[in-house]
Amino acid sequence: EIVLTQSPGTLSLSPGERATLSCRASQTVSSNYLAWYQQNPGQAPRLLIYGASSRATGIPDRFSGSGSGTDFTLSINRLEPEDFAVYYCQQYGSSPRTFGQGTKLEIK
Amino acid sequence: EVLLVESGGGLVQPGGSLRLSCVASGFSFSSYAMNWVRQAPGKGLEWVSYTSSGSGTIYYADSVKGRFTISRDNAKNSLYLQMNSLRAEDTALYYCARGVFGGASDYWGQGTLVTVSS
Repeated sequence: EIVLTQSPGTLSLSPGERATLSCRASQTVSSNYLAWYQQNPGQAPRLLIYGASSRATGIPDRFSGSGSGTDFTLSINRLEPEDFAVYYCQQYGSSPRTFGQGTKLEIK
Repeated sequence: EVLLVESGGGLVQPGGSLRLSCVASGFSFSSYAMNWVRQAPGKGLEWVSYTSSGSGTIYYADSVKGRFTISRDNAKNSLYLQMNSLRAEDTALYYCARGVFGGASDYWGQGTLVTVSS
């Protein structure tokens, strides 16, 4: 099983700043099948990034994904108030298809 | 509009069974893989199971293997999760989600709550 470790656990930033979230895998993620999701309280997750770097439909270009192999990053430029949420990475290159434990992005 | 609506959750005793359903609309259900993902109260996301569009490929999390069974009826645009031998640690909000791009989940339902307690 591939274990995904997200860091930091909590990130405190102000609107307008840039956020950098990390996801490290215990083994190589096959085909860079790594996704990022955003979840707001009481809501279902929303797909942001798939294939490590491709933005899902309707996702603003402030969101970008990068990385390969075992190290992946989600960057959010010019933070908007609605961006403060919990973010999860997930690998779907091999089964079981694991999630990271999440990073909470909070307003400073 | 893509819509996924889960049902079938509820309160069940340890060792009991439940069958969750997810009805899809707004897209060609038979062309897409599907996932079940759960979230325990106040916790993170946990992937549960995956089925390909034609049910030829099925995967399970180790935590549910041998107890849960995923299935689908493409004629009814429906996805199911049969859950047997339920444990307290299965208590969670269960989401169904459409699988795309090899297995990422692009559309999610609002979830159905399963509570396992005596």
